Amino acid sequence: GDSVTQMEGPVTLSEEAFLTINCTYTATGYPSLFWYVQYPGEGLQLLLKATKADDKGSNKGFEATYRKETTSFHLEKGSVQVSDSAVYFCALSGGGNNRKLIWGLGTSLAVNP
Amino acid sequence: DAGVTQSPTHLIKTRGQQVTLRCSPKSGHDTVSWYQQALGQGPQFIFQYYEEEERQRGNFPDRFSGHQFPNYSSELNVNALLLGDSALYLCASSLSDSYGYTFGSGTRLTVV
Repeated sequence: GDSVTQMEGPVTLSEEAFLTINCTYTATGYPSLFWYVQYPGEGLQLLLKATKADDKGSNKGFEATYRKETTSFHLEKGSVQVSDSAVYFCALSGGGNNRKLIWGLGTSLAVNP
Repeated sequence: DAGVTQSPTHLIKTRGQQVTLRCSPKSGHDTVSWYQQALGQGPQFIFQYYEEEERQRGNFPDRFSGHQFPNYSSELNVNALLLGDSALYLCASSLSDSYGYTFGSGTRLTVV
């Protein structure tokens, strides 16, 4: 079945460092891909999404490109801030009538000043 | 504009009991999905409701059931609680043809 694998955390960076969180997927058909963020004590928030191959999602300085050839959707940010400390989840949806989101395990990010 | 509202925020139940969790979707959304998130894990899809019917279901036993009301709000019921049902239960609402899911803050269920 469909699945998502993302790099294990925790990831600890200094402020202004470059961030990459790897995400790969296995899916039949043409899934849509998502990154969600969960700040401490808060619910899941959609960070960015891409619905077809080669699409680039971006938001708040974060970017991810839907790479069908490598089945990847890696999250990147050029310069992280302390306020980016959170848990990041990669997810996919199979598309069509398959509306459920399939999630990775999450990657915890801590940014130190 | 209120987002997704879930109640209660926390609750503690005893093994074998039954529990009902409630969700009010974001204004304008007509579809509600429920997820179970165990500690340190990603959410697992339980089911989705649209037009008061279960549209899709994940790999959860029949002890997990739900309902959607005409105002689009939803309930998740779990019967015969097990210790392993302890988790954060998340409700997400959306428009039926959109991937724009809005999540609530969840209900933390502890089974003792």
